[in-house]
Amino acid sequence: NAGVTQTPKFQVLKTGQSMTLQCAQDMNHNSMYWYRQDPGMGLRLIYYSASEGTTDKGEVPNGYNVSRLNKREFSLRLESAAPSQTSVYFCASKRAPIDNSPLHFGNGTRLTVT
Amino acid sequence: QKEVEQDPGPLSVPEGAIVSLNCTYSNSAFQYFMWYRQYSRKGPELLMYTYSSGNKEDGRFTAQVDKSSKYISLFIRDSQPSDSATYLCAMSPSTSGTYKYIFGTGTRLKVLA
Repeated sequence: NAGVTQTPKFQVLKTGQSMTLQCAQDMNHNSMYWYRQDPGMGLRLIYYSASEGTTDKGEVPNGYNVSRLNKREFSLRLESAAPSQTSVYFCASKRAPIDNSPLHFGNGTRLTVT
Repeated sequence: QKEVEQDPGPLSVPEGAIVSLNCTYSNSAFQYFMWYRQYSRKGPELLMYTYSSGNKEDGRFTAQVDKSSKYISLFIRDSQPSDSATYLCAMSPSTSGTYKYIFGTGTRLKVLA
């Protein structure tokens, strides 16, 4: 049972380059989330998708875009990477947006922007 | 002031010790409380999940919620070196339609053999 799978695991970008982080879940969850984790800041929500066909901004959306490709897949795009976007990015999924089920996380993408 | 406060540690204990990890929060709307364990270079994995006040036990782990004090705890009995990880508390309001999970910054625990 794979759960939440993220690719790539590591990435180094130069300032101004673009890239897409991929996420897929096999738990038939409706809701998917993108977080970033920085030292001393905890996990901060970038974007989320409550259900297939919908996306909404979280706490720190600037510089990012998302696509909910289908029920399984939710991608995060950096159009013009900046050093401030150096972070560890986690994708998570949840059975439904408003029930009391918990979040399930992938193992992260470690991104460095030089 | 952050909505959720968690001591970053690190906390070092000898093998077999009882560990107490804590979070305080300021939003009285929080109803769901979670503890995640995160090993180095891995994603957070759900450890315990509780609703409202009281205790919940699962093996060597006990989660405790005191809503009157806005304080949650995770106790680990007979701690093992394999428990060495960062522990994140998380909480969510009960309001329908919310996506909002608030995470603590994590407490790093090291259990010494």
